[in-house]
Amino acid sequence: SQQGEEDPQALSIQEGENATMNCSYKTSINNLQWYRQNSGRGLVHLILIRSNEREKHSGRLRVTLDTSKKSSSLLITASRAADTASYFCATVPDSNYQLIWGAGTKLIIKP
Amino acid sequence: NAGVTQTPKFQVLKTGQSMTLQCAQDMNHNSMYWYRQDPGMGLRLIYYSASEGTTDKGEVPNGYNVSRLNKREFSLRLESAAPSQTSVYFCASSVSWPPTYEQYFGPGTRLTVT
Repeated sequence: SQQGEEDPQALSIQEGENATMNCSYKTSINNLQWYRQNSGRGLVHLILIRSNEREKHSGRLRVTLDTSKKSSSLLITASRAADTASYFCATVPDSNYQLIWGAGTKLIIKP
Repeated sequence: NAGVTQTPKFQVLKTGQSMTLQCAQDMNHNSMYWYRQDPGMGLRLIYYSASEGTTDKGEVPNGYNVSRLNKREFSLRLESAAPSQTSVYFCASSVSWPPTYEQYFGPGTRLTVT
């Protein structure tokens, strides 16, 4: 079963603009993780946010977590062509700790 | 450090054939995972090994077996391949279980079953 659902499924923006993608989930979690996947490659970890945290930053990335709404958002500021990739959220449920992945947001940055 | 390596990168099987996907990590991680990724879907956990000597089923274990050969290596075996097993398979590792830290992924194996 898919717990995480990303929104939108696809996003196309101009280079330099900000990109925001969202993730919703259903059950209580220990943490939520964001990953990037370039076409035909493996996944690369971006940020992990724990259930007792509300916001984390890493370079141009900002992640928020609202446990009351069971949702998270990933903001990429000042986008670059190299940010073109699919972005996935994965939740770690408190019940069994097995990561559950969303279907991803495909981000295209137009030069 | 090579990180997580997987072999082979590509494989074509006929229905009913068997094969083993190999995975190794050189980061001294305790936990290892096998996922499959189908088009338009997120990853689904097949099996995981929380530590050397243990393996547990994930969300979609049917048709697969695993072996945690040692701390570095975790293999996935398809005993009798079916077209429904056509997918991209990823191996991953993490420091420990439960996964309260990030996972590191291999480059994937693209498997086609005809």
